[in-house]
Amino acid sequence: QQQVKQSPQSLIVQKGGISIINCAYENTAFDYFPWYQQFPGKGPALLIAIRPDVSEKKEGRFTISFNKSAKQFSLHIMDSQPGDSATYFCAANTDKLIFGTGTRLQVFP
Amino acid sequence: DTAVSQTPKYLVTQMGNDKSIKCEQNLGHDTMYWYKQDSKKFLKIMFSYNNKELIINETVPNRFSPKSPDKAHLNLHINSLELGDSAVYFCASSRDTTAGGYTFGSGTRLTVV
Repeated sequence: QQQVKQSPQSLIVQKGGISIINCAYENTAFDYFPWYQQFPGKGPALLIAIRPDVSEKKEGRFTISFNKSAKQFSLHIMDSQPGDSATYFCAANTDKLIFGTGTRLQVFP
Repeated sequence: DTAVSQTPKYLVTQMGNDKSIKCEQNLGHDTMYWYKQDSKKFLKIMFSYNNKELIINETVPNRFSPKSPDKAHLNLHINSLELGDSAVYFCASSRDTTAGGYTFGSGTRLTVV
């Protein structure tokens, strides 16, 4: 019940395309859903986050879509750039952050 | 000025040794954490401390002992290191126990040989 399932494991997108990463959860006590971006040799960095009373949040090229009834949320990266190539983690929080398994995104020029 | 800093960045040691990793945050946060990232990049919480008190201990072997001398510091001591302890260890902090926006350090890559 504490798991957060993430897919796909890896994603290859052409520059300018849309990258979509999906996550699902079971525990309805989760009250905060962040996405983290991790570059090699660095720690995860908070990218964007949403609370369950909102269905969508947009910050620049990054959008979270949240479906409370389906217990699913996704990250959309519009106009993907080679600099977006990184590992992305969804997460869910109650008293601790539970992370998804990660998605390695590669954006080719 | 680094918000969450960990030392050392790399640690190579032999099986059976004891080692420590230090973490400091200058964000004024009340809560600090240790996460372990394995070779498949899976991030799993190990411990959390709130104002120097242990809040979460996620069934980590008792060879791992966290210590928080004050709310800005959380150190991790590991006794009798095993090959399976090889991983990247991340320290993180948050405003309080309910704030999900964690700030992570850059990690300590521990290799046990």
